[in-house]
Amino acid sequence: DGGITQSPKYLFRKEGQNVTLSCEQNLNHDAMYWYRQDPGQGLRLIYYSQIVNDFQKGDIAEGYSVSREKKESFPLTVTSAQKNPTAFYLCASSHNRNRKENEQFFGPGTRLTVL
Amino acid sequence: GQNIDQPTEMTATEGAIVQINCTYQTSGFNGLFWYQQHAGEAPTFLSYNVLDGLEEKGRFSSFLSRSKGYSYLLLKELQMKDSASYLCAVRARYGQNFVFGPGTRLSVLP
Repeated sequence: DGGITQSPKYLFRKEGQNVTLSCEQNLNHDAMYWYRQDPGQGLRLIYYSQIVNDFQKGDIAEGYSVSREKKESFPLTVTSAQKNPTAFYLCASSHNRNRKENEQFFGPGTRLTVL
Repeated sequence: GQNIDQPTEMTATEGAIVQINCTYQTSGFNGLFWYQQHAGEAPTFLSYNVLDGLEEKGRFSSFLSRSKGYSYLLLKELQMKDSASYLCAVRARYGQNFVFGPGTRLSVLP
């Protein structure tokens, strides 16, 4: 079955530690995205990547880093520089081709809590 | 700049019809998307509009007016399971990222 997976589902971290969130897709999508969602709010874009070995900062990239070494994978590292990292993190992917519908497919999300 | 507005909360009764509005101002336009998100879960795709007019999918319909920067999502025959947040998103240019609105939390009451 094709889809997008994120792991872990729940993650706890001590202040001052870096942590990496996994995102994998087997949909053959070129584009991948990371969003952050805080309680009662919409999605805010952290980073996105349109093709392998290339990525762009979104609206709230400070304190985060990404890599895109493979088409299927787009891991997000939350660094100790991120002042308020507790949130729900969503990874998504989409086609870049000129299709009628280029909707994003979302993973199940990772809920990160900083203790 | 990019800006998308939606009402924060709405309440409706089971079996009724509800319309959720979305207005947008973006640097370009390559499609408007509606997603449904239940609490604690990932958003799921509902509908897509790129041309003006109404798109119907069962109990859900979505309308777009590009000249007015306006869309709405219409939900008919509301069910309790429709209680969720509804996110409006615009793809500003082909190949570029999506911009999401703040979401509208819909509560369906018996």
